[in-house]
Amino acid sequence: KNEVEQSPQNLTAQEGEFITINCSYSVGISALHWLQQHPGGGIVSLFMLSSGKKKHGRLIATINIQEKHSSLHITASHPRDSAVYICAVVGGGADGLTFGKGTHLIIQP
Amino acid sequence: GAGVSQSPSNKVTEKGKDVELRCDPISGHTALYWYRQSLGQGLEFLIYFQGNSAPDKSGLPSDRFSAERTGGSVSTLTIQRTQQEDSAVYLCASSFRQGAVGELFFGEGSRLTVL
Repeated sequence: KNEVEQSPQNLTAQEGEFITINCSYSVGISALHWLQQHPGGGIVSLFMLSSGKKKHGRLIATINIQEKHSSLHITASHPRDSAVYICAVVGGGADGLTFGKGTHLIIQP
Repeated sequence: GAGVSQSPSNKVTEKGKDVELRCDPISGHTALYWYRQSLGQGLEFLIYFQGNSAPDKSGLPSDRFSAERTGGSVSTLTIQRTQQEDSAVYLCASSFRQGAVGELFFGEGSRLTVL
């Protein structure tokens, strides 16, 4: 079974700061997802990665397959980026997703 | 429909009763997933459907939980003889591609409270 570790668990930063959230997993995967969940809100898919790097607006996601590691970066962070960010992997013996515990991000104005 | 639709949005039931939760995925999405999120906890995988078959049921927590999907579309998650520990938000997601290697689209969830 894949073990997914996210760090940090909690992160508070000031508006404008560059944010990095990390995700490590233990077994080879076919894909990795970054998800966003706002308080009391639904879950939105930000990225799906199987290799390399993807960028969408101020968000950048990278994955290193050899090191079994992915990062989510937020540039010029804004209070509306405050949410829980969840890493989820596909593979490692299961078709369903294995989730990290999430990173609770607060961006203060 | 335009998005993944789940019903009911909220369900309060008494311990021991059976409940059914429904998920209507995006039209044309062959992959469908059920997850749950208990209060203050992370997401937990329950079951995955590809078409009408369920190649991965490994996440169902007990034999009180079952799910089916008919016509490659709507899915129903049934919890029999509910217990208080079943209280959670039950989330459904669908994807166009098999095995969650495509973008996932989540429903708003069904919040289940077992008294």
